[in-house]
Amino acid sequence: DQQVKQNSPSLSVQEGRISILNCDYTNSMFDYFLWYKKYPAEGPTFLISISSIKDKNEDGRFTVFLNKSAKHLSLHIVPSQPGDSAVYFCAASADGNKLVFGAGTILRVKS
Amino acid sequence: DTGVSQDPRHKITKRGQNVTFRCDPISEHNRLYWYRQTLGQGPEFLTYFQNEAQLEKSRLLSDRFSAERPKGSFSTLEIQRTEQGDSAMYLCASSTRGGDSPLHFGNGTRLTVT
Repeated sequence: DQQVKQNSPSLSVQEGRISILNCDYTNSMFDYFLWYKKYPAEGPTFLISISSIKDKNEDGRFTVFLNKSAKHLSLHIVPSQPGDSAVYFCAASADGNKLVFGAGTILRVKS
Repeated sequence: DTGVSQDPRHKITKRGQNVTFRCDPISEHNRLYWYRQTLGQGPEFLTYFQNEAQLEKSRLLSDRFSAERPKGSFSTLEIQRTEQGDSAMYLCASSTRGGDSPLHFGNGTRLTVT
C-alpha cells in the first residue's frame, strides 16, 4: 500500500517561475513531513520539513504547505532556478519512526 | 561533519554470491537506517538501529539479509545468496533522534546482480 503518493512523475517549469510539487498521504498518524531533493548518483538531500501542528514552513525560496484535512502537502519553489532540476521526494513519519517516501517527481527548470 | 559515508559505491556480483556493504554515519548520530531504492521508486525502508540495537525490520528484509551495528557506530548490511531482484541502490542514513530530526543520507551502494 502506497501511504505517500506523488502523482506527477515529472514537472517542467521556466526559470524564474514558480514550481509546485504535490504529495498526498493516507496515514492519518503521520505527524512529520519532509521534502528531499536528489541529484543523479547522489543520495537524497534534506530540503525542508513541517510538523503536523503547522500549516506552512518557509526557508528562503522553498515553502512547504500542509493541509491535514485533505491529507495533502505541497512544495513551492520560487523563483525556480536551473540548479533546482532534480528528483524531489516527499516523505512522512509517525511518532518519530521511519520515513515513508513517495515515488518522486522529476523537476526540470528550463533556462 | 563529514557526512554519511558508504562503501563500496558500486558492486557487481554473480547470482548466489554474498555481498556486504558498510555505512559510516555522522559521528554524533545515534540512529542509523538502511533503505533500498529501485528505478522510478522512492527509498523503501529496510531496517534501523538506535545505537547498537536493531529496533525495526521491514517485511522486505528477507532472511537472506542481515544488518549489524556492533558498537553503535558503523553498520554493515549483508545479503546472502544474492538474486537478480536484489539489484538496487542501497542507501544508508543517520539522524540524531526520531521525531522531527531529518535523515541525512549517504550516496548509496549500487548493487548489480548478474
